[in-house]
Amino acid sequence: GDSVTQMEGPVTLSEEAFLTINCTYTATGYPSLFWYVQYPGEGLQLLLKATKADDKGSNKGFEATYRKETTSFHLEKGSVQVSDSAVYFCALPDYGGSQGNLIFGKGTKLSVKP
Amino acid sequence: EPEVTQTPSHQVTQMGQEVILRCVPISNHLYFYWYRQILGQKVEFLVSFYNNEISEKSEIFDDQFSVERPDGSNFTLKIRSTKLEDSAMYFCASSSGSQETQYFGPGTRLLVL
Repeated sequence: GDSVTQMEGPVTLSEEAFLTINCTYTATGYPSLFWYVQYPGEGLQLLLKATKADDKGSNKGFEATYRKETTSFHLEKGSVQVSDSAVYFCALPDYGGSQGNLIFGKGTKLSVKP
Repeated sequence: EPEVTQTPSHQVTQMGQEVILRCVPISNHLYFYWYRQILGQKVEFLVSFYNNEISEKSEIFDDQFSVERPDGSNFTLKIRSTKLEDSAMYFCASSSGSQETQYFGPGTRLLVL
């Protein structure tokens, strides 16, 4: 079945460091891909998405490119801030079901130190 | 910007009690979902709902669980007889189409004692 494999955390970086969180997927066809973020004590928020191969999703300085050839959707940010400390989830719709319920990776906790 | 809301934000209950978690999806959305996240683990799909009936459910969603859209705005998850292992954060989500982006509420943290 479809699945998402996400880089294990936690990841600890200093402010202004470069961030990469790896995400690879297995899926039938070419699903949309998502990154969700969960700030401490809060719910899930959509961070960015890409709907087809070679699309780049971007938001708040974060970027991820839909790579069909490597089945990857790695999240990157050039210069992280303390406020980026959160848990990041890669996700894709389970089109094996009728309504595309989301399949999430295990989440990567990011801590950014000043 | 429209958002999904959930109540209560926290719920503490005794094992064996019934709980109802409430969600108000985004008003023009037609597809509704419940997910849960046990502390420290990944988010797991429970159930999806469309046109007043369940469309998909996971194996987690057993006979102790039920969902309902009692009126035009609310979407509820009922756990009939809570167990310790039901302790988790429960997220509601909604989307305008089955292939469209799902927007999540802030979650209800359920603690079963």
